[in-house]
Amino acid sequence: NAGVTQTPKFQVLKTGQSMTLQCAQDMNHEYMSWYRQDPGMGLRLIHYSVGAGITDQGEVPNGYNVSRSTTEDFPLRLLSAAPSQTSVYFCASSYSSPTLTEAFFGQGTRLTVV
Amino acid sequence: GQQVMQIPQYQHVQEGEDFTTYCNSSTTLSNIQWYKQRPGGHPVFLIQLVKSGEVKKQKRLTFQFGEAKKNSSLHITATQTTDVGTYFCAWPNMEYGNKLVFGAGTILRVKS
Repeated sequence: NAGVTQTPKFQVLKTGQSMTLQCAQDMNHEYMSWYRQDPGMGLRLIHYSVGAGITDQGEVPNGYNVSRSTTEDFPLRLLSAAPSQTSVYFCASSYSSPTLTEAFFGQGTRLTVV
Repeated sequence: GQQVMQIPQYQHVQEGEDFTTYCNSSTTLSNIQWYKQRPGGHPVFLIQLVKSGEVKKQKRLTFQFGEAKKNSSLHITATQTTDVGTYFCAWPNMEYGNKLVFGAGTILRVKS
């Protein structure tokens, strides 16, 4: 099992550019989440999905879009990148609600917006 | 609103010394999880605590959930260089539909 796979691992964007961070899991997990990690701030929840076709906002959703057309994939879209979105992004999945069971994390995408 | 503080933010210990990180909530938590993130790595689940006063052990790691379910701690006995990393607590946050949210983390450095 590959677990949770994120691509790319590193990305540099110019302000105003758009891009999609990819996340795929092969564990047939219903629950998937996106977090961003900034120094001294822990991981902050961006968006969340409880299954295909269902998404919800987290703590810091502004500037990001998500969709969940399949159980396996949960891409995160940056519509118009800003320097404040420079961060490390983690995708996570869990068999049931991550508040009840272990969350599995991908390796992360380190994004720099210049 | 619900506030959870994780302390300390940073701790540097001599190898063999003990280490403790705490998470303190302003409201009762239904459960709490602990994760470890090695430098340059991703968070890895350690444990979940659910019951009031619960104590769980994993080798040199001891996890506690307070009687009022407002406090939790992770204690490492006789730290080793392999313990280096950031330790996070995480909990269901009612403000976001009970989604899992994370504390700011405690960075542990171990001097050998």
